[in-house]
Amino acid sequence: SYVLTQPPSVSVAPGKTAKITCGGDKIETKAVHWYQQKAGQAPVVVLYHDGVRPSGIPERFSGSNSGDTATLTINRVEVGDEADFYCQVWDSTSDHWMFGGGTKLTVL
Amino acid sequence: EEQLVQSGAAVRKPGESLNISCEASGYSFPNYWIAWVRQMPGKGLEWVAMIYPADSDAKYSPSFQGQVTISADKSTSTAFLQWSTLKASDTAIYYCARHIEGYWYFDLWGRGTLVTVSS
Repeated sequence: SYVLTQPPSVSVAPGKTAKITCGGDKIETKAVHWYQQKAGQAPVVVLYHDGVRPSGIPERFSGSNSGDTATLTINRVEVGDEADFYCQVWDSTSDHWMFGGGTKLTVL
Repeated sequence: EEQLVQSGAAVRKPGESLNISCEASGYSFPNYWIAWVRQMPGKGLEWVAMIYPADSDAKYSPSFQGQVTISADKSTSTAFLQWSTLKASDTAIYYCARHIEGYWYFDLWGRGTLVTVSS
């Protein structure tokens, strides 16, 4: 099955830029979606199709997808951005939906 | 307002059965796939299964095939996840989520149902 690999944790100071990666074999051929899950809450999609922001998601969130790595970038990080972030793809070969292991974003 | 309202927390003993629910409102329930996603304590998200309520076509993750049953009732706009024999390892929060076909992501989530299996 298709495997997505994320770093367990990323730390960043307020106002700086955070980059969270999601690795997978030829992931550039897949649409990557990103979810933010704050403590005790359900996940919320922050980007779909690599970098499209749903209504209500700040422009500070952006995404890219190239080669074997997709990246979620958060500019001007705020304390309120602290959360777990998950990437997700649909694997057409198996017709299964896969999540990465998640990355805990800590705002120092 | 579009929303998914899940049933409340459940506590069962190993070997017991359980049915949890997810009621949709504010949109055309039959025309969107609904998925269940598991989150074990302190762990990440795992896709469990999904169903298309219009015709009850269902897909299962290999990890959950045979362990759970997904179903849907169009008359009540409700999706279900069922266990016939619970195990302690089924202890987790289970989220239902609406799937956007053609885009392959989940745009609307329920608040989750905590299932605790303990003797």
